[in-house]
Amino acid sequence: EILMTQSPAALSVSPGERATLSCRASQNVGTSLAWYQQKFGQAPRLLIFGANTRAAGIPARFSASGSGTEFTLTINSLQSEDFGVYYCQQYYPWPPMFTFGQGTKLEIK
Amino acid sequence: QLLLQESGSGLVKPSQSLSLTCGVSGGSISSGGFSWSWLRQAPGKGLEWIGYLYRGGNPYYNPSLKSRVTISLDRSKNQFSLNLTSVTAADAAVYFCARGGPWFAPWGQGTLVTVSS
Repeated sequence: EILMTQSPAALSVSPGERATLSCRASQNVGTSLAWYQQKFGQAPRLLIFGANTRAAGIPARFSASGSGTEFTLTINSLQSEDFGVYYCQQYYPWPPMFTFGQGTKLEIK
Repeated sequence: QLLLQESGSGLVKPSQSLSLTCGVSGGSISSGGFSWSWLRQAPGKGLEWIGYLYRGGNPYYNPSLKSRVTISLDRSKNQFSLNLTSVTAADAAVYFCARGGPWFAPWGQGTLVTVSS
């Protein structure tokens, strides 16, 4: 099973600043990586797939990069509604065994 | 707009089976060649993929749950279902249905399943 490790566990950033979240895979997953945002009591929302492609309706301030084992989600010009827990998810191997990181909790200062 | 909605037993006794259904509206479950998944999230924990119907056909399950899980599709009702047998306290979670993988969107709002006698 591919293990996904996210860092930091929690992050506090002021509105208007940049937040940088990291995700590491225990083995090479190429660009088979997605990012999600989850707010309390809600279902996760897809932000990014293919390591760097924004999902429909996701603002341009969300960007992502990486390949192989190291991935980054960047949120520029942080807005108050961007708080929540962010998860990465790999979908590389076949047969499928999709796994998620443990999440990074983003708090707005 | 595609909407998914979970329904089913919110309270299950230990050793019994959990059964949930995901109703799909705003589109046909049979079109587009999409896959249909179940995932769960234990209280205060992260996300776990349970399994899916690959492109609406063959099921694939998380190996850790494979012996207890069945996911099925009912095209006539535009819904898909989850059955999990021999539940224990470790199966208590919010259960989500979603379109996908390999990535998941959209998701249902989730339904809380409690395991208690």
